Amino acid sequence: DTAVSQTPKYLVTQMGNDKSIKCEQNLGHDTMYWYKQDSKKFLKIMFSYNNKELIINETVPNRFSPKSPDKAHLNLHINSLELGDSAVYFCASSLRTGGLDTQYFGPGTRLTVL
Amino acid sequence: EDQVTQSPEALRLQEGESSSLNCSYTVSGLRGLFWYRQDPGKGPEFLFTLYSAGEEKEKERLKATLTKKESFLHITAPKPEDSATYLCAVQGTSGTYKYIFGTGTRLKVLA
Repeated sequence: DTAVSQTPKYLVTQMGNDKSIKCEQNLGHDTMYWYKQDSKKFLKIMFSYNNKELIINETVPNRFSPKSPDKAHLNLHINSLELGDSAVYFCASSLRTGGLDTQYFGPGTRLTVL
Repeated sequence: EDQVTQSPEALRLQEGESSSLNCSYTVSGLRGLFWYRQDPGKGPEFLFTLYSAGEEKEKERLKATLTKKESFLHITAPKPEDSATYLCAVQGTSGTYKYIFGTGTRLKVLA
């Protein structure tokens, strides 16, 4: 009965490769997010989708592309991976319309670029 | 620009030694202030939401309070299992309603 799940948990890859991270929520929420947590544990918003519409698009390299096939899923595709992309990526979800908009986080995906 | 500062960066307490964590913020209209707990290798776990100055919320040994400029997370008689990083985030009323997180307070409670 995991609320927000992400796959994979760990991702180790070479520079220049393309990879994807998947996120699913079963909370019935309408808004999903991608965050990046750096080595100093600082959490920064990257993207957000509300009902499959992109509503937050922070200053992120265009090698990062989010895709939301439906309200329960949000994927993150990263092209041409660089060393600086190494971090932990968290997915989160919230109920924005008619809800308290409290965000609930997934377990994270640790990406290591060699 | 919305901003969140947490202090101290790290805190070591003996079991049973009560203390408080601080979250100072500047935001153009507060929609909500959120406290999370993060254990190593895991995602942030929601603790509390505070909406207006004067509001207080409690859960077990934790109590969160809010003023117009800061929030405190009071930990009463902590236990080793309370060891974690505590994160504070604010959500403003303008723009995209995104969360702005602080850098967290790493709490270690010694038995």
